[in-house]
Amino acid sequence: AQKVTQAQTEISVVEKEDVTLDCVYETRDTTYYLFWYKQPPSGELVFLIRRNSFDEQNEISGRYSWNFQKSTSSFNFTITASQVVDSAVYFCALSTLNAGGTSYGKLTFGQGTILTVHP
Amino acid sequence: DTGVSQDPRHKITKRGQNVTFRCDPISEHNRLYWYRQTLGQGPEFLTYFQNEAQLEKSRLLSDRFSAERPKGSFSTLEIQRTEQGDSAMYLCASWDSYLTDTQYFGPGTRLTVL
Repeated sequence: AQKVTQAQTEISVVEKEDVTLDCVYETRDTTYYLFWYKQPPSGELVFLIRRNSFDEQNEISGRYSWNFQKSTSSFNFTITASQVVDSAVYFCALSTLNAGGTSYGKLTFGQGTILTVHP
Repeated sequence: DTGVSQDPRHKITKRGQNVTFRCDPISEHNRLYWYRQTLGQGPEFLTYFQNEAQLEKSRLLSDRFSAERPKGSFSTLEIQRTEQGDSAMYLCASWDSYLTDTQYFGPGTRLTVL
């Protein structure tokens, strides 16, 4: 079975602070995908990044960066110089091969971290 | 609009009634997923289709739930004899792994069972 844990339920920061959202996952599969999604107050899930289990390179996209460490089963997300518009619920998710072992299927989500950025 | 659409956006019903939701995926995507999200939780997988074939169902999907994707295009999710515990946001997502990196989600249908 797969499991994703986001231990931080809520984080509150002041604009321009850096903030890191933690994600720890469990799976017996050796091949999997990891994701981060953003859910703003409007409710629609917005895809941020996908990382293949074979690719442990960190990634930076503007103010966003991701740190994938297979040794600790973690996939943490950092927002640099946070802005009020970053306020949302952020979800980490995991996808492994489906029951038939032929292709990637369902996403297993963590509980989410509510990020509030104050002006 | 080329995104995933869902209808209705909100549904209020009385306990015991049947409800049906519709999802229209991105047209080129062959996979369609249904998830349920309750307040303060992450989405939970319910079921998914590859074209018209339903390939996986969660244990969350009780006998009162049924999903179809008759021609491999839109999908419907029906809940019979609704219970208050069915109150949640029902999310649909579509994906073609050759075209995109991930599933793209619709805006969801919020169900309230009184």
